[in-house]
Amino acid sequence: GDQVEQSPSALSLHEGTDSALRCNFTTTMRSVQWFRQNSRGSLISLFYLASGTKENGRLKSAFDSKERRYSTLHIRDAQLEDSGTYFCAAEANTGANTGKLTFGHGTILRVHP
Amino acid sequence: ETAVFQTPNYHVTQVGNEVSFNCKQTLGHDTMYWYKQDSKKLLKIMFSYNNKQLIVNETVPRRFSPQSSDKAHLNLRIKSVEPEDSAVYLCASSFTSQNTLYFGAGTRLSVL
Repeated sequence: GDQVEQSPSALSLHEGTDSALRCNFTTTMRSVQWFRQNSRGSLISLFYLASGTKENGRLKSAFDSKERRYSTLHIRDAQLEDSGTYFCAAEANTGANTGKLTFGHGTILRVHP
Repeated sequence: ETAVFQTPNYHVTQVGNEVSFNCKQTLGHDTMYWYKQDSKKLLKIMFSYNNKQLIVNETVPRRFSPQSSDKAHLNLRIKSVEPEDSAVYLCASSFTSQNTLYFGAGTRLSVL
């Protein structure tokens, strides 16, 4: 089965509201990254976490440091430009540090007025 | 600011032809990757190279072959394309120790 389970698959938000995306991992992970893909297909890195939390503006991400089996991405005060597809990706905590990432299926986020 | 450059942006070809995609990064990274994004938007790693050495080679058909001349370049050749090769091919790079990935804009391949 999939190592990375991302939810929800789609999300519709009013401008100004808050929400959270989540990724569960079927095995312990070394690190997790969050990306946003825009309508032109460009993938932009939002966060890289080996543990703990990181915040950047209205976005905040957390990676469960104890069991290393889930991560969340919080969006505060959603804006129209936040629309896009969000992916989490994680590197398994096994062997050498190869940088090989397993991606979730993505969350299609639409922010509307 | 784009720092991972892919060419071409689009390529349309027929079954059986050979295609080559180029990727160059100007970030000074030591690791480069090729990912395939299918029609359902799922991204899967194909290959990764660290300082011109192949370190990840997922189960991809033999007609796919990566080529690295130096740590800033990683090209992808597909001999005799098949219809299921239609996808977006994304190149990325990172510092091995940190692993934050920087992606190129992708090459969309359509096989007729």
